[in-house]
Parts: sequence; C-alpha cells; structure tokens
Amino acid sequence: DQQVKQNSPSLSVQEGRISILNCDYTNSMFDYFLWYKKYPAEGPTFLISISSIKDKNEDGRFTVFLNKSAKHLSLHIVPSQPGDSAVYFCAASVQGAQKLVFGQGTRLTINP
Amino acid sequence: KAGVTQTPRYLIKTRGQQVTLSCSPISGHRSVSWYQQTPGQGLQFLFEYFSETQRNKGNFPGRFSGRQFSNSRSEMNVSTLELGDSALYLCASSLLTSGLDTQYFGPGTRLTVL
Repeated sequence: DQQVKQNSPSLSVQEGRISILNCDYTNSMFDYFLWYKKYPAEGPTFLISISSIKDKNEDGRFTVFLNKSAKHLSLHIVPSQPGDSAVYFCAASVQGAQKLVFGQGTRLTINP
Repeated sequence: KAGVTQTPRYLIKTRGQQVTLSCSPISGHRSVSWYQQTPGQGLQFLFEYFSETQRNKGNFPGRFSGRQFSNSRSEMNVSTLELGDSALYLCASSLLTSGLDTQYFGPGTRLTVL
C-alpha cells in the first residue's frame, strides 16, 4: 500500500523553463509535506515544505502547492537550471511523528 | 553548523555477519531517524529515537535495531545479515521545536552484503 505516489519516474525540461513535479497521497492524516532533492550515493537534501494549513509556499525558485481535497501536491521550479538535474522525492508525515513516508522519486533532467 | 555525519560511508560484509552504523546529528537536534533506500523498495522508515527512547518503528524485522545515546548520537545494528540488506542507510535529525519539524539527512552508509 503506497501512501505517497510520484507517478512520473522521469521528467525532461529545457533550461530556463518551468519544471513541475507531482505527488499524490492517500492518507488524509498527513499534515506536513516536504520535497527533497537527491544525487546518487548521497543523502536527500531538503528543498521546501508545506503544512496542511497552507496551500502554497515559496522559497526562491521553488514553490510547492498543496491541494488537500485532491490529496495532491506539486513542486514548481522556475527557471530550471542544469544544477537542478537530480532525483526529487516528495515525503509526507503526520504532525509530531518523525516518520517520513516517501514517494518513489522523479528523475528530473534539465537540458541546455 | 556541521551537518549530519554518518560513519562509515561504505561497508562490505558477508551473509550472517552483523553490522553497526553510526550517526551524529546536527548540534542541538534531539531526534534521530533511520531510513533504508533500495532500488526496489525506495526510501523506507526504519525507526526514530528521541531522548534515548525509540518512539516510532517501521515495518522491518527484529534483526534491525538501534539506540540513541545521551548526546543524541545514534547507532543502528543489523544482525544475521542477508543479501537483501544491501542498501544505502540514511540517518536524519530534526530539532523538534514544534510538531512540524524538517528532517535533515546525512550522506548515508552504503552497505554491501556478499
């Protein structure tokens, strides 16, 4: 039972354009959502998070949108840069429980 | 401020052996969580420790255990290693000032079981 799903294993975007990564969840108890970026053989790097009381959070080029009714979140990267090429994981947790449930990841490739 | 550190970075063991991995959290962080990453199962939660107590546990067999020391450093142990235990083991720490705390990950320990 996969509670967090990233249905696109890969995404290719041209440099300078917008990258949109999607994530769906099934557990309505989740109230904190995070995006991490990961390179091979390294630990995930935290990018941005959002709590369930918000529907949008911005940090520089990164914006996360949360649609609770659809149980869907997305990460927008604008503009996309070659250094953004990595695997992106969305994760969800229940408040107070330090237990992240991860999606399977989306490999983002930014083409020059 | 130094990030989460994990030792060793790479480890090769044979089936049946046991292994201990170490994690030092970010200074001031009191919660330490462990995750396993494999190509087939992705990133999966193992357990979480806070104030030397295991508070949450994932769906792993009892061969996987851990502990936390009074300085918040943590170790995880895997006994009677199996080939399927080959994975990247990640440690994450968080401050725990509120209910919504970001976990920051270390570089991981790559365990290969032969």
